[in-house]
Amino acid sequence: IAGITQAPTSQILAAGRRMTLRCTQDMRHNAMYWYRQDLGLGLRLIHYSNTAGTTGKGEVPDGYSVSRANTDDFPLTLASAVPSQTSVYFCASSPRDGSYNEQFFGPGTRLTVL
Amino acid sequence: GQNIDQPTEMTATEGAIVQINCTYQTSGFNGLFWYQQHAGEAPTFLSYNVLDGLEEKGRFSSFLSRSKGYSYLLLKELQMKDSASYLCAGLDSNYQLIWGAGTKLIIKP
Repeated sequence: IAGITQAPTSQILAAGRRMTLRCTQDMRHNAMYWYRQDLGLGLRLIHYSNTAGTTGKGEVPDGYSVSRANTDDFPLTLASAVPSQTSVYFCASSPRDGSYNEQFFGPGTRLTVL
Repeated sequence: GQNIDQPTEMTATEGAIVQINCTYQTSGFNGLFWYQQHAGEAPTFLSYNVLDGLEEKGRFSSFLSRSKGYSYLLLKELQMKDSASYLCAGLDSNYQLIWGAGTKLIIKP
């Protein structure tokens, strides 16, 4: 693995189903983030984690949950998917070690909820 | 509130110069980022400014004026591969990035 990986690449999901988007980084970065990107809108932060064992809510957290059991993994779960959660989801990480905190992005997951 | 404003779309000619402007309002300020995003791909880092002035990196330069809440990205010698969206983002007092909606840059031959 080099950088950040996300799985699946794309998914079509029936409304009401539970879904977990996976994110793994091998850069030993402290901080990780989940964003959604919708046409005409900027990246919106869903949840973040500044270090393993801690998580926080971003701008649009409702309907999503996260966990950070270790440094490398940061899964995003949709407990009961709704059509408004149709979006492209990006996972990102940053060192958050006193440097300027450039964020590195995974390739994204395109999710369609019907 | 926090807000990042940038034009929705710009068009330029191959070989020319284009300037993409960004104005920002953030709760606290810890720097201004520019990212490039090609269609269907992830954003990739272009530049970071935390002090006033111009940072040059090859064909790309980024400028910051903290007193005006203003930044621009300057792209020189435009190439067709520069067709992409350019995202401006401000780093707030909690070290969270506040993102603009992006400027879609169309390069014509």
